[in-house]
Amino acid sequence: DTGVSQDPRHKITKRGQNVTFRCDPISEHNRLYWYRQTLGQGPEFLTYFQNEAQLEKSRLLSDRFSAERPKGSFSTLEIQRTEQGDSAMYLCASSLTGQLNHGYTFGSGTRLTVV
Amino acid sequence: GQSLEQPSEVTAVEGAIVQINCTYQTSGFYGLSWYQQHDGGAPTFLSYNALDGLEETGRFSSFLSRSDSYGYLLLQELQMKDSASYFCAVRDLEAAGNKLTFGGGTRVLVKP
Repeated sequence: DTGVSQDPRHKITKRGQNVTFRCDPISEHNRLYWYRQTLGQGPEFLTYFQNEAQLEKSRLLSDRFSAERPKGSFSTLEIQRTEQGDSAMYLCASSLTGQLNHGYTFGSGTRLTVV
Repeated sequence: GQSLEQPSEVTAVEGAIVQINCTYQTSGFYGLSWYQQHDGGAPTFLSYNALDGLEETGRFSSFLSRSDSYGYLLLQELQMKDSASYFCAVRDLEAAGNKLTFGGGTRVLVKP
């Protein structure tokens, strides 16, 4: 297994455009998380999937953000009508139920710059 | 809600010992984790404490005191490659699916 993969690594977009990021978790992991991280801060929770079900979404997440995980495999995070405040690193992580002592496995992230 | 506090930066020399403290406030608590993140890299899991006491993994150890809502990460025999940011994170009993809330991170700078 090659770990958690995220695509693209970098994305520069103009304000108002829509962007979509993809995450491929570790294949046997049933849980998938999206986090956002700005410079000098810790990761901030956005949303969480168990298999294909989206079980929790941060109250901080505006309606411009949507995530899917069809068939419980890869996941996509879409941001509509991007704003400069959306500029951040978007991290995906996966884990397996019952393996708390193994923690999350994070991907390398997608760095979004909104100009 | 949850909040975690950790120092923003620590500087030490190679071979030294560094302790990164983390205090937390949660509505429920179900474990303290530590992650390391090098500049431009992904956070990587270091340790998890669900019970009070010290967990040792090589040069790194992690401690938890649930009664004090406090934990620390101990980095021993510091090496240049240990220069990174270190995050504590808590799992909330009320949170679904092992959702973690992260602290703001402690940047560790190791000097020769």
